Parts: sequence; structure tokens; C-alpha cells
Amino acid sequence: GNSVTQMEGPVTLSEEAFLTINCTYTATGYPSLFWYVQYPGEGLQLLLKATKADDKGSNKGFEATYRKETTSFHLEKGSVQVSDSAVYFCALPLSGGYNKLIFGAGTRLAVHP
Amino acid sequence: DAMVIQNPRYQVTQFGKPVTLSCSQTLNHNVMYWYQQKSSQAPKLLFHYYDKDFNNEADTPDNFQSRRPNTSFCFLDIRSPGLGDAAMYLCATSRGTGSDSPLHFGNGTRLTVT
Repeated sequence: GNSVTQMEGPVTLSEEAFLTINCTYTATGYPSLFWYVQYPGEGLQLLLKATKADDKGSNKGFEATYRKETTSFHLEKGSVQVSDSAVYFCALPLSGGYNKLIFGAGTRLAVHP
Repeated sequence: DAMVIQNPRYQVTQFGKPVTLSCSQTLNHNVMYWYQQKSSQAPKLLFHYYDKDFNNEADTPDNFQSRRPNTSFCFLDIRSPGLGDAAMYLCATSRGTGSDSPLHFGNGTRLTVT
């Protein structure tokens, strides 16, 4: 089945710094790829997604590009804010196109003023 | 306008005492999922319902059961909780089963086993 490996945290940054969180995957075919965010005390929210190779998902200043050559889907943001402090999860379907997701281990981001 | 609602937010139960967690949704989605998230770990899928069809993950312990009496509600029953079952339990929904149907999560129920 499919699997995902995510950069370990925690990541600590100052406000306005550049963020990269690495995510690589192994999969049969070319499944959709997702980033979810979990703010303190809350459930997960979909941050962005990409459905095919070379697609770029973007939302709230975050971007991730589906790169089949390197089987990666790294999350980036040019200038982080304190409000971005959260845990970020990379995810893809367990197998095929079915919507049962497996998640990476999560990367905790702490942004300081 | 919460769309996936989990109650309670915090649940404390005793070792071996059955406990039920509940989830309701106002999205009228066909699919409902239960995930277990232990501290500092990724959420792990326990099972899901597509309408009334129940789908158990192969490695979900028999101690965990689920019920979906109607479209809006889904329950997670833990028959005999052990200390290792302490976790955040996340309910999620999706309109369909394709990977183009994003999951909508509730805020979770944090279960403590004493």
C-alpha cells in the first residue's frame, strides 16, 4: 500500500521567516496528495491539495507542488506568522483513489514574534 | 455553524468500563470515519461507514465497535478500555469515497482511561 514520510519537528521559526516542511511518499500510480493542519485543541483541517503531477496546491500563503520525479510534496510558506503555529500533516489515500487517508507523523511548527 | 460535532470534548472512563463517543454531522455526507490519534502521532484510521456499510481496518482491535443509526450520527464504542486506548478520537466525514472529496474533521474527543 501507499505510505508517507514526513520531516520530524518541532520546527521553531521567527515571524516572517521562510518555512519548508518536507514530505515524501511511495504510492501506486499518482494519487491525490494533501496537507492538513491541526491547531491546538482542534481537529484537522484541509490546508491544500494537489490531484496530479506538477499541480501546485495553495491556500493561506502556503504552497506545495506535486513532484512525481522526486515523489515529494513539500510544504512552503514565504513568511510565517504566529497564527501559523500548529501541527502539519502530509497525507495520501491508503490505496487507489479511495478516500481513506494515511497521515505522516506530523510536524509541529512554533512561530515566535 | 459547526459541521462535524463530537461530544464530549473530554471523556474520562475507568479501565474496563465501556464507553461511547458520539459524532454528528450537518453536511449530509455519505461517509463517516473514526480515527485514533495518540499523543504526538499521526491519526490512524479505525473504520468507516459508507452509508450503512461498515468497513473495518484489518488492524483495528475487536475492542472497538461502531454504530451508525442514521446519516447524521455515528458512535464509537470501546467495550473494555485499556490504558493504551487513551487518545484523541477524531470523527471525519466526506461526501464520497473519491480522493477528490476532502475530509471534514470534528474537534475530537480526548479519552482518558484511569
